[in-house]
Parts: sequence; structure tokens; C-alpha cells
Amino acid sequence: DAGVTQSPTHLIKTRGQHVTLRCSPISGHKSVSWYQQVLGQGPQFIFQYYEKEERGRGNFPDRFSARQFPNYSSELNVNALLLGDSALYLCASSYKNSGSSYNSPLHFGNGTRLTVT
Amino acid sequence: AQTVTQSQPEMSVQEAETVTLSCTYDTSESDYYLFWYKQPPSRQMILVIRQEAYKQQNATENRFSVNFQKAAKSFSLKISDSQLGDAAMYFCAYSGLNTGTASKLTFGTGTRLQVTL
Repeated sequence: DAGVTQSPTHLIKTRGQHVTLRCSPISGHKSVSWYQQVLGQGPQFIFQYYEKEERGRGNFPDRFSARQFPNYSSELNVNALLLGDSALYLCASSYKNSGSSYNSPLHFGNGTRLTVT
Repeated sequence: AQTVTQSQPEMSVQEAETVTLSCTYDTSESDYYLFWYKQPPSRQMILVIRQEAYKQQNATENRFSVNFQKAAKSFSLKISDSQLGDAAMYFCAYSGLNTGTASKLTFGTGTRLQVTL
């Protein structure tokens, strides 16, 4: 089975622009979470979606938004890009709403490396 | 808010030797999950081992084991018989049990493990 797939793998944008990152979960997984990993830091939680509804939101500005589609894939949108948005954006999927339950752990993709110049 | 602290930015171990990575956390919850994730240069976060806080027995997965000290809020990872493929960033992570936030992992800043011949 295919794992969590993210596109694109790398992206370069200019300050003020908008970006859309995409994630396809593992087949059968209904929950998708997004994390931002700044260089040298651990990932930080941005959003979680389950059954197309937002179930959790981290401490990120309103410039960050996301949605989940009927096929459970997801998009992360960032408006008015800042230099500080440069990071690795990780998507993770799980079967259940709870990504930490013993039988429904999070599976991560390889991430999208976003560089803002 | 929960916090996770990894005080060792870098560790080095010789092949076939044993190494222990440290992690402490802070929480007011009584039940929660703890994880160790591995992030190789491929960038994908890979689950190494997980521990339920209500289980007193330390989790083990082949060469990987944890020392979970709930009262001290300590969760260290021991890697036995280290292999070259163990070289990676290791992240300690925490998750609560509430349905709305169970997919939200709080990560530490990571420990880079080098494995030498």
C-alpha cells in the first residue's frame, strides 16, 4: 500500500505570495494532520481534520487554512507568505480521529520543503 | 500547556554499542501517550516506540526500549546493538487522550544521533 504522499516535494515562493500544499492519506485513513517543522526544531501542530471537519488547530495565524475533501485528501493553504514560513510541512494520516490511540498511530509523509525568499 | 524537552542536541555511539537518549516532559494530565520518532535524511517521521502512561511496564520494540518514570516525567530511549541505519534525528513526543486533541503531538527539539564504526 502507498504511504502518505505529499506534493510538491520542494517549493520556492516570494514574500506576500500564496501557497497550496497537498496531501493524500493512506487508503482507508480518514484523519489528516498538518505540522510545520522549522529547521532545527521539532514539528509543530497546525491542523487536524477528520471526516472533512476541523477537529484541532494549533497556534498559527489566520493566514494558515486547510480543508479536507470527500476522498480524505487535504490541502494546506498559506496566504501572504513571510520569510518565517520557510519550513518543512509534514502531513500525517491515521484511521481514527485519535492519532495517538494504540491501534491508530500517525503515519507521516516525506513533507514539502517550502522556501520563502 | 504540555512541553517536551530534549536536552541532548547531539549524541554519538559506536556500532554495536548501546546509547540512551533523554526526554522530559511537563503535563497536568494523568493519562497520556509518549512516543519516540526517528527522522532520517529522507525527512519522513517514523514511529519507533510508544508508551501509554497508565502502563507501568516499559515498552520494548526489538533493539529499542524505553525507561518511563511517570513521577519524574522522564521518558528515555535506549538503543541496543546500534546499527549504522540508526543514525537520524530522534524526537520525543507527547499526546493527550482527549478526542479533540489526541492527534496533536507535541514534539521536543530533537537529538541527532551519529553512529560510528
